[in-house]
Amino acid sequence: GQSLEQPSEVTAVEGAIVQINCTYQTSGFYGLSWYQQHDGGAPTFLSYNGLDGLEETGRFSSFLSRSDSYGYLLLQELQMKDSASYFCAVKGGTYKYIFGTGTRLKVLA
Amino acid sequence: ETGVTQSPTHLIKTRGQQVTLRCSSQSGHNTVSWYQQALGQGPQFIFQYYREEENGRGNFPPRFSGLQFPNYSSELNVNALELDDSALYLCASSFDRTNEKLFFGSGTQLSVL
Repeated sequence: GQSLEQPSEVTAVEGAIVQINCTYQTSGFYGLSWYQQHDGGAPTFLSYNGLDGLEETGRFSSFLSRSDSYGYLLLQELQMKDSASYFCAVKGGTYKYIFGTGTRLKVLA
Repeated sequence: ETGVTQSPTHLIKTRGQQVTLRCSSQSGHNTVSWYQQALGQGPQFIFQYYREEENGRGNFPPRFSGLQFPNYSSELNVNALELDDSALYLCASSFDRTNEKLFFGSGTQLSVL
């Protein structure tokens, strides 16, 4: 089968650093993406890793290890507005996307 | 540049009915994909359209069908609605079928009674 595993919930305080892990098992793999979704809102693209290594975009970084079928999203200098659900997604086959079940991040003051 | 827009925002149907959801893709995008998101779950890929042809499909029955028009807008049709079809339906567009960045609309919340 095809699956992406993420922690269901993570809690951290403002200003802290949090890492959200994602392990995947898919029949094909072209890359790992991350999306943010606030309650009642649309998912918003955060990052994409097609190759192993770290990608940095402002306060957010994303990492991929293809040999370990593993990636993570790192959020630094947490802000209250970062409270949202975060999804990893794999392009697992030709034009087919698979999303994880999501990690709900709660940022406390 | 306009974003992805979906209509209607909310819809209530009864079991057995048919529904059509609509999506206007972001300007300059030729690829549209549709997703079903149940409460507390991640989006589930339904299918993707590129230049008016379906070129990718998830594990959804044939009663889920779609269209893409020459202006790259799209429709999702669901026949013989079931209670389990109640979900948020999201449309996403991308610059091209190989582009990794998906731009999502705010979705249509479908309730099947």
